[in-house]
Amino acid sequence: EDQVTQSPEALRLQEGESSSLNCSYTVSGLRGLFWYRQDPGKGPEFLFTLYSAGEEKEKERLKATLTKKESFLHITAPKPEDSATYLCAGGLGGATNKLIFGTGTLLAVQP
Amino acid sequence: DSGVTQTPKHLITATGQRVTLRCSPRSGDLSVYWYQQSLDQGLQFLIQYYNGEERAKGNILERFSAQQFPDLHSELNLSSLELGDSALYFCASSVGAGRDTQYFGPGTRLTVL
Repeated sequence: EDQVTQSPEALRLQEGESSSLNCSYTVSGLRGLFWYRQDPGKGPEFLFTLYSAGEEKEKERLKATLTKKESFLHITAPKPEDSATYLCAGGLGGATNKLIFGTGTLLAVQP
Repeated sequence: DSGVTQTPKHLITATGQRVTLRCSPRSGDLSVYWYQQSLDQGLQFLIQYYNGEERAKGNILERFSAQQFPDLHSELNLSSLELGDSALYFCASSVGAGRDTQYFGPGTRLTVL
């Protein structure tokens, strides 16, 4: 069964304290690994797409990496405004672009 | 702002009723997706349309239906509503039907009383 699992469920960091979020996946014919940020009551905001193992992408304090089994979202020197739920999703193969989402990591960054 | 619009933002209705949620994709996007997000289930894929045709179905209930119109906007119809249908409903759009990035709208919060 196609599945995406994220850990930890929740993470509390001090401002400036770097850390990583994990996303492990078992998705047949994975056609992309997607990271989104979601604020409470809002729609997911696109962050990164990774297509092949070894690929890395960066944006401000965030860096996403991909291996054959998992992806990491590294947060360097986070600020309180980085507080949000971070969602990981695997894109299925075939004729569809259906996304299988993990349950997310709730990140709280305290000043 | 992703460029995807959804109306209404909030909807409160009673059990047994029928509602319609509307979505306008980003300019130039041909694919529209519908997702349901509830507290205990996370984001669940419901259905995908590409250029007016149904492309893929997920765990969509028979009481739910959707369509994509010639101007590419989409509507999700929910009927015989139950308490458990209360959730956030998101629409997303992408350029094509393959592995393109999906951009999400702000969502419609449905409350069934």
